[in-house]
Amino acid sequence: QVQLVQSGAEVKKPGASVKVSCKASGYTFSSNTISWVRQAPGQGLEWMGWISGYNGNTYYAQELQGRLTMTTDTSTSTAYMELRSLRSDDTAVYYCARERYDSSFEYWGQGTLVTVSS
Amino acid sequence: EIVLTQSPGTLSLSPGERATLSCRASQSVSGSYLAWYQQKPGQAPRLLIYGASSRATGIPDRFSGSGSGTDFTLTISRLEPEDFAVYYCQQYGSSPRTFGQGTRLEIK
Repeated sequence: QVQLVQSGAEVKKPGASVKVSCKASGYTFSSNTISWVRQAPGQGLEWMGWISGYNGNTYYAQELQGRLTMTTDTSTSTAYMELRSLRSDDTAVYYCARERYDSSFEYWGQGTLVTVSS
Repeated sequence: EIVLTQSPGTLSLSPGERATLSCRASQSVSGSYLAWYQQKPGQAPRLLIYGASSRATGIPDRFSGSGSGTDFTLTISRLEPEDFAVYYCQQYGSSPRTFGQGTRLEIK
């Protein structure tokens, strides 16, 4: 069965960076795109960007460009999301999600809480 | 960027009743690439509907989606206790993919 297992919770200081991993299993990693979505406490879902499992192409939300990098390691079927220059409003649960062939988000990781606090 | 506006913000209904949730897009959604997700507290979202009207695997048939262009609807025909949650629409026909702000479905 398809599973996306994310790395554990992180606490970071403002200005630091965080890198969250998303290890995929149960399917051929290169066949699907991974999107990243975040959710601030008590708020809605915010799409951050996607990365192709096939060729590593990326697309980032405009407001995060310059601070966000998504990568993959096909040898371990793992996707990574790195966010730099963290601010308090980056505090959120970060999710990875595997896109279906039509790009809807069929499988989700369990979420990783990133807390940014001095 | 396509902005999605969901209404109502909160919907209070009783088990057994019918729920109708709306999602309106600021411009036409390409190819009816519109999805609905359910999210319960402390859980990741779950895909309910894709392509505006197709149920995802394992989703009960009391959930149905309809619409095209800029107006979409999620209908839950007879509410079960486990259906009370927050629902989000999402368009994925163009990047950036965007979500609506959510509709909270609460027990009356």
